[in-house]
Formats: sequence, C-alpha cells, structure tokens
Amino acid sequence: GQSLEQPSEVTAVEGAIVQINCTYQTSGFYGLSWYQQHDGGAPTFLSYNALDGLEETGRFSSFLSRSDSYGYLLLQELQMKDSASYFCAVVDSSASKIIFGSGTRLSIRP
Amino acid sequence: DGGITQSPKYLFRKEGQNVTLSCEQNLNHDAMYWYRQDPGQGLRLIYYSQIVNDFQKGDIAEGYSVSREKKESFPLTVTSAQKNPTAFYLCASSTGTKITHGYTFGSGTRLTVV
Repeated sequence: GQSLEQPSEVTAVEGAIVQINCTYQTSGFYGLSWYQQHDGGAPTFLSYNALDGLEETGRFSSFLSRSDSYGYLLLQELQMKDSASYFCAVVDSSASKIIFGSGTRLSIRP
Repeated sequence: DGGITQSPKYLFRKEGQNVTLSCEQNLNHDAMYWYRQDPGQGLRLIYYSQIVNDFQKGDIAEGYSVSREKKESFPLTVTSAQKNPTAFYLCASSTGTKITHGYTFGSGTRLTVV
C-alpha cells in the first residue's frame, strides 16, 4: 500500500519562512511532487524531486531524502496569497500515476 | 491557449441516476486522470488512461466508469452504484512519459446528490 503523512494545518506570519514536511511509505517510488490548491480551485504543480537534495524555484524550495522517505516544501518571504493547501504527492515506480497526501492547510497572519 | 476543460462546473444529481462529467484537453497529452476530492481531504485516484482505448482502475474505481475513445477526451460516468458521489471531481493530464513535469488540472466539477 501507499501512505503519505503531512501536518493538517500550519500557521505562519507574513514575511516569514515555513516548512511543510511529508513522510511517505510506498511500495514503489519514482519521485516526490508538491502541489498548491487555493480554496475552490484546482491544484497547481509546484515542484518535483527525483534525487536527494534541494530544488529551488523562486521563493519555494523542495527537499527530498530517499533513504529517510522524507521530503519538505520550504516557502520563504511568505505573502498573504500563499494561504492555500499544499499537497505532497508520490509519483509511483512506473511513473504512470501520482498518489496524493491529505494536504496541509497553510494560514498566513499579517 | 492550451488547457483542460471540465464541464459542467456544478452538477446536481438525483439519487439513482447516472451522470457523466466531461473532460477535454487540447494539450496533446497522452495520459489523463480522474481524481475525487472530499472536503478537507486529499485527492484520490478513480481511473487513469495512458493511451487511447485503454484505461486502468485507480484506488476508488467502484461505482464509476470511463472511456477513452479520443486522445482529447476522457469522460467520467458516476453510476447509481456509487454510494457517496457528492464530491469535487478533478480531471488532469500529463505528457505520459514525462509525468515528472507534473499534472495539468482542469477547474473541476462539483457534484451534489439531492
């Protein structure tokens, strides 16, 4: 089976940095993705890690440790528009489909 | 601009009725997917298709059916056998061999059973 664990809610202050962790247990693994979803909207792709290490895209960075079955999404210089749900997602070993975690709701205070 | 179109945006269904959700893409993507999202929950895979005339069950396929007669289209039918169909349904596509580039999602269909 497959399971992904991430915190259900995180609160942070505008301008600060926040890290959203994700641990996974899967029968096969190709890579770890992150998606953002605003209320009522569709998820949008943020990042993908296939190898260990940090990938940076602007204010967002994503990290993967395959040996620890662990990854995180780091958001810097938080803005109010970053308030959304963030999902980690495992690309299965066949790279044919994605399994999503239950999501972390990020709330940002002024 | 290329993208995925889901219709309708809102759909109401009476118990015991089948209903079909439309998903069309003009991205020339090979693979298409249907996910279900319940309030405050993650996305669960219903069905997916990597090529025309072929599709596979996801984790929660019971009570649903799909077809893939054209590359651009992947309609989902919610049958009367689906006991709790009220949910947000999301269609997605990817280039198939390059799923690592992520999915492109449609804007979703919100289905309510009345």
